Amino acid sequence: AAGVIQSPRHLIKEKRETATLKCYPIPRHDTVYWYQQGPGQDPQFLISFYEKMQSDKGSIPDRFSAQQFSDYHSELNMSSLELGDSALYFCASSQIGLVGGEQYFGPGTRLTVT
Amino acid sequence: KQEVTQIPAALSVPEGENLVLNCSFTDSAIYNLQWFRQDPGKGLTSLLLIQSSQREQTSGRLNASLDKSSGRSTLYIAASQPGDSATYLCAEMGVDTDKLIFGTGTRLQVFP
Repeated sequence: AAGVIQSPRHLIKEKRETATLKCYPIPRHDTVYWYQQGPGQDPQFLISFYEKMQSDKGSIPDRFSAQQFSDYHSELNMSSLELGDSALYFCASSQIGLVGGEQYFGPGTRLTVT
Repeated sequence: KQEVTQIPAALSVPEGENLVLNCSFTDSAIYNLQWFRQDPGKGLTSLLLIQSSQREQTSGRLNASLDKSSGRSTLYIAASQPGDSATYLCAEMGVDTDKLIFGTGTRLQVFP
């Protein structure tokens, strides 16, 4: 079965650079979620999109922005990167109304800021 | 602020034991609760999802229960195997939000 695809899987950036993370949801899923997991921490919700509109927002820094496109893929744009942005970034997808909103997670993008 | 806590933080058991992992949540308006498995540095694999209207879900050697009144969920692992070694995370979703709130996890090691 098709899963959530994230690219790139690994990314190394320097401080103050920008990064773009991509997420391709499971086919027919209409909702995308982004989470950040710092070293030794639990995942923290950043932002979600339903049918290309932002549906919920968590502790996402102003330096980050995201959007969902017409083909339902999503991109997380991160600017002015800081050392503390080094983390595993997960994308998840779900189909609202199906199976009670179960979220399926991608393998993550490991971002290292040096 | 909703919180999710898991105990124990770490658990080391011999192969074959039956295990119970605990998850407590403060959200009184829970929509569902998911249990995940995470291997070191890897992604999150969904194990079980329990809707707020359900009491338990089973998948193979795994059984998860939900008690909304006490704010608790348990994950029962029968006949543990070394391949079960991983971190287990529970996460709850409230009725008025999309986001999952994760617990800090239980790091399980099953030794032969």
